[in-house]
Amino acid sequence: EAGVAQSPRYKIIEKRQSVAFWCNPISGHATLYWYQQILGQGPKLLIQFQNNGVVDDSQLPKDRFSAERLKGVDSTLKIQPAKLEDSAVYLCASSSGQIYYNEQFFGPGTRLTVL
Amino acid sequence: QQPVQSPQAVILREGEDAVINCSSSKALYSVHWYRQKHGEAPVFLMILLKGGEQKGHDKISASFNEKKQQSSLYLTASQLSYSGTYFCGTEIANDYKLSFGAGTTVTVRA
Repeated sequence: EAGVAQSPRYKIIEKRQSVAFWCNPISGHATLYWYQQILGQGPKLLIQFQNNGVVDDSQLPKDRFSAERLKGVDSTLKIQPAKLEDSAVYLCASSSGQIYYNEQFFGPGTRLTVL
Repeated sequence: QQPVQSPQAVILREGEDAVINCSSSKALYSVHWYRQKHGEAPVFLMILLKGGEQKGHDKISASFNEKKQQSSLYLTASQLSYSGTYFCGTEIANDYKLSFGAGTTVTVRA
């Protein structure tokens, strides 16, 4: 079974530029999560999708971050414009079945550096 | 709502035991444990649902004390492969977001 795929793996941009990350979850997984992990900290949930609907986006900085999940499969996370404090690893995870009780499978992450 | 993990770091020799604690100030519905090796994605270890269930994964086990809103992860007879950062993720009753602690870095030396 293929795991969660993410691209790119690394991205370096200047502040105020835009960037987009892509995630392809495990086939058949209805729930998709985007997390932000700052160095030395635990993952912080940004947004959670169930199929193509948003379950929770309360911690997503909506003035600069946006995310979509078209057709309930792939998802993209965009930052526009980027700030220095956005430097982090962005993790995508997916889970199957019930939203809350299943293990989450994480992708390798995208390491973003904002200069 | 972020759970508090302790200790922040622990160094072990192969074969030694360790306990990692995860505490919440709010009522917990479940606790998830993950391990992340340097530069890699977090990997699921186990979920504990409220009810005080204890689970095991190889020689790694965990307990959930619902009254104390605390979970403990037990590393028994540690192996080199146990090195990594362990995160607990908590689900608050009536608030089903998964909040992760800051992590506990475990280093197992030969």
